[in-house]
Amino acid sequence: GESVGLHLPTLSVQEGDNSIINCAYSNSASDYFIWYKQESGKGPQFIIDIRSNMDKRQGQRVTVLLNKTVKHLSLQIAATQPGDSAVYFCAENKRGAQKLVFGQGTRLTINP
Amino acid sequence: DAMVIQNPRYQVTQFGKPVTLSCSQTLNHNVMYWYQQKSSQAPKLLFHYYDKDFNNEADTPDNFQSRRPNTSFCFLDIRSPGLGDAAMYLCATRTSGSYGYTFGSGTRLTVV
Repeated sequence: GESVGLHLPTLSVQEGDNSIINCAYSNSASDYFIWYKQESGKGPQFIIDIRSNMDKRQGQRVTVLLNKTVKHLSLQIAATQPGDSAVYFCAENKRGAQKLVFGQGTRLTINP
Repeated sequence: DAMVIQNPRYQVTQFGKPVTLSCSQTLNHNVMYWYQQKSSQAPKLLFHYYDKDFNNEADTPDNFQSRRPNTSFCFLDIRSPGLGDAAMYLCATRTSGSYGYTFGSGTRLTVV
């Protein structure tokens, strides 16, 4: 079935560098996308979201880009900190389906 | 603070012994979801309640049941837990018509 997936399962970056986490989705009917951060033993924590009528949205140190042409979503984290180490999931909300489908996840490790 | 609370945080159950996980919310959200998340995997939707209407995912095993006695509470019943049911179980809520999903911290289920 259609799903949201990620290109890279792991990503290591140096503290202070910028990181980019990617996500590919296949359901063109999805109208809303969310990035979650999940630390070990905890539930998903909302980071940032974007609606399908937008291309870019910025938050504090994070930016989400949506390319509907190639069905690609990315999360950019600026000036990474040790506390950014976690697994990051993208998720899509299927229009009319009232449910969130998660992608595979990327483990981000920040090296000192 | 309004939130989604899952109890217990950790649950150990015996193989084949029925177990119930609980979720409560003070957000007055009318939609409640149960996700199963196995180690190093993305959360997978089991079912959700839209008000009192139960919506089961097609691939959710019959071993998993749910009850929602009122708006605030939702239970996940596993009738005969197997070793493969060991996972983190996440509850989430949402108000229909909005995109804001709120997740609980999860219950880590161990089957022995």
